[in-house]
Amino acid sequence: KAGVTQTPRYLIKTRGQQVTLSCSPISGHRSVSWYQQTPGQGLQFLFEYFSETQRNKGNFPGRFSGRQFSNSRSEMNVSTLELGDSALYLCASSFLGAHTDTQYFGPGTRLTVL
Amino acid sequence: AQSVAQPEDQVNVAEGNPLTVKCTYSVSGNPYLFWYVQYPNRGLQFLLKYITGDNLVKGSYGFEAEFNKSQTSFHLKKPSALVSDSALYFCAVRVLMNTGFQKLVFGTGTRLLVSP
Repeated sequence: KAGVTQTPRYLIKTRGQQVTLSCSPISGHRSVSWYQQTPGQGLQFLFEYFSETQRNKGNFPGRFSGRQFSNSRSEMNVSTLELGDSALYLCASSFLGAHTDTQYFGPGTRLTVL
Repeated sequence: AQSVAQPEDQVNVAEGNPLTVKCTYSVSGNPYLFWYVQYPNRGLQFLLKYITGDNLVKGSYGFEAEFNKSQTSFHLKKPSALVSDSALYFCAVRVLMNTGFQKLVFGTGTRLLVSP
């Protein structure tokens, strides 16, 4: 089975711009979660989608949003970019998002905001 | 707050020696614990998980972890380290949110350096 894929792998944007990141989960997986990884804050949970619905949301401002499509592919959007949004954004998929499920991570998208 | 702690920022070990990367947890209810490894410029790779059952969990690449309820620990171990094991290791726990669904909460990570 193919793993979790994320596109693009690298992005450079300037402050004030917006960005959209894409994630394709493992085939058959219906839960997709997004995480932000920075040296200062570590790995922080952004949100989780299941069957096109946001089930969970972390403590991030409304500039961070996402969606999931009927084929379970997910996108996340960050509007009005700030320097502090520079990070590795990781997507993870699991079968149902149940407490015993394993989350499998993609390679991440490295976002740099100038 | 429900969390995991990785008390060591870095662990140094010589190739061929046993390694231990420490993790302690604080959760209400049953803990569901995970170990992941991250190589430079890569995502996280799943190593193993504890859900229930045997306290010794075996995972990928020869790694294992020991769940200890009385000490609230879930240390990662390997009998003989390889240089290629050098990476960043994360312990994580499933946490129930007020939505009724779960998220993963990660430790701060431990950098493992295996010297030849």
